[in-house]
Amino acid sequence: AQKVTQAQTEISVVEKEDVTLDCVYETRDTTYYLFWYKQPPSGELVFLIRRNSFDEQNEISGRYSWNFQKSTSSFNFTITASQVVDSAVYFCALRPGYSSASKIIFGSGTRLSIRP
Amino acid sequence: EAGVTQFPSHSVIEKGQTVTLRCDPISGHDNLYWYRRVMGKEIKFLLHFVKESKQDESGMPNNRFLAERTGGTYSTLKVQPAELEDSGVYFCASSQVGSLNSPLHFGNGTRLTVT
Repeated sequence: AQKVTQAQTEISVVEKEDVTLDCVYETRDTTYYLFWYKQPPSGELVFLIRRNSFDEQNEISGRYSWNFQKSTSSFNFTITASQVVDSAVYFCALRPGYSSASKIIFGSGTRLSIRP
Repeated sequence: EAGVTQFPSHSVIEKGQTVTLRCDPISGHDNLYWYRRVMGKEIKFLLHFVKESKQDESGMPNNRFLAERTGGTYSTLKVQPAELEDSGVYFCASSQVGSLNSPLHFGNGTRLTVT
C-alpha cells in the first residue's frame, strides 16, 4: 500500500514553543520522494521541502527542520520558536517510484495553531 | 514566472447544476494534476495529464467528472450534474516532465460549494 499518515489532526501551542509534526509513510518502492507543504489561511499550497529516499540527512532551514528516518518510515517536521505566522495546515506527501510523472499521495494534514 | 492559476477561486452552485473549473499551469510544465480536498480529509488525487494525454485518471470519482486539456496547455474540470458530496477545494498542480525531483507547484485552489 502507498499511504501517508499524519496522526495529529490539530495542534495548538503558545508562540515561541517548539512543535513537531509527525508523518509516517508506507510504500513498496525503494525509490521515492517525500514532501512537506504548507497551506496558510489564504488557501494556497506552498512547497516547503523535498527529500529523496537515498538521502537520510536531516535538514535545517531557519526555524524549520526535518528528520527523515527510513527505519521507522517517518519524516517529521519541527518548527523551533514558533510564530503566529506559522499557523497553517501542514501536509506531508509521498511520491513513490522514480518517475517525475508519479502522482503524489498526501496525508490528511495537521492544523497548527500558534497562540500569541 | 507566473504560478499555477485557477479560476474561479470560489463557486457556489445548486445540486444538479454544472460547474467548470479552469487551471492554467506554469508555462512549460507538461505535467498537470487535479487534486481535491474534502473538508478535513486528505488531498486526494483525481487525475494526471502529460501534455494533452490523460496519464492516470484512477482518482476520478465517477463519470460526472470530465477533465480536458486541449492543446496541452490549460485544463478544465467539469462537474455535471453536481452533487452535495462534490463540495470541497479543487487544486491544480503542474511540474516539469523529466525532472526526477521536481516538486508540484500548486494553484490557490477553487472552493466549490454545492447546496
